[in-house]
Amino acid sequence: EPEVTQTPSHQVTQMGQEVILRCVPISNHLYFYWYRQILGQKVEFLVSFYNNEISEKSEIFDDQFSVERPDGSNFTLKIRSTKLEDSAMYFCASGGDSYNYGYTFGSGTRLTVV
Amino acid sequence: DAKTTQPNSMESNEEEPVHLPCNHSTISGTDYIHWYRQLPSQGPEYVIHGLTSNVNNRMASLAIAEDRKSSTLILHRATLRDAAVYYCILRKREQNSKLTFGKGITLSVRP
Repeated sequence: EPEVTQTPSHQVTQMGQEVILRCVPISNHLYFYWYRQILGQKVEFLVSFYNNEISEKSEIFDDQFSVERPDGSNFTLKIRSTKLEDSAMYFCASGGDSYNYGYTFGSGTRLTVV
Repeated sequence: DAKTTQPNSMESNEEEPVHLPCNHSTISGTDYIHWYRQLPSQGPEYVIHGLTSNVNNRMASLAIAEDRKSSTLILHRATLRDAAVYYCILRKREQNSKLTFGKGITLSVRP
């Protein structure tokens, strides 16, 4: 069964450093998403991406965050200057070309900011 | 976004059916009813979705009330692997619509 692959599985970074979280969505999917989950809390929507541009973003997704699809296969989330409160699981998801589908999520990257 | 209401937790016995309820009294005509689950230390996993009619797939069945104000996810024979948080989510009938997760219902399965 096709999978969404995320790397790395765990990243530790110092506060103020930049991090890039990587995702390889399912190859024929057109819609891409990032979500995050702080330990013990709900899964929160960050951003959706289609046709090489952001479709929707949440209040969490401020100027410190950016996304891109640099080469047609990878989908990345960059955090420019990490804060302690950015520590969370970050999940990438992708979906097909119809609203009548379910998303496929990756297994996540655990980001720890120290 | 229309909201869903689920019990906080439920227990079941292995190999017995499980019915997980969800109320969504403010559902609009353009909302799909989606169910996802999240096993411990994993990402959410799509289970099933429907609009008006009951739906079956290899994982589960979804029973939707006639007025669409509630639905029930049915696991026909619970296994220990089904222990997870199950989320009932209303998703707008738009191609790029997001999922808004609530707290979900934590299902425990007793051997």
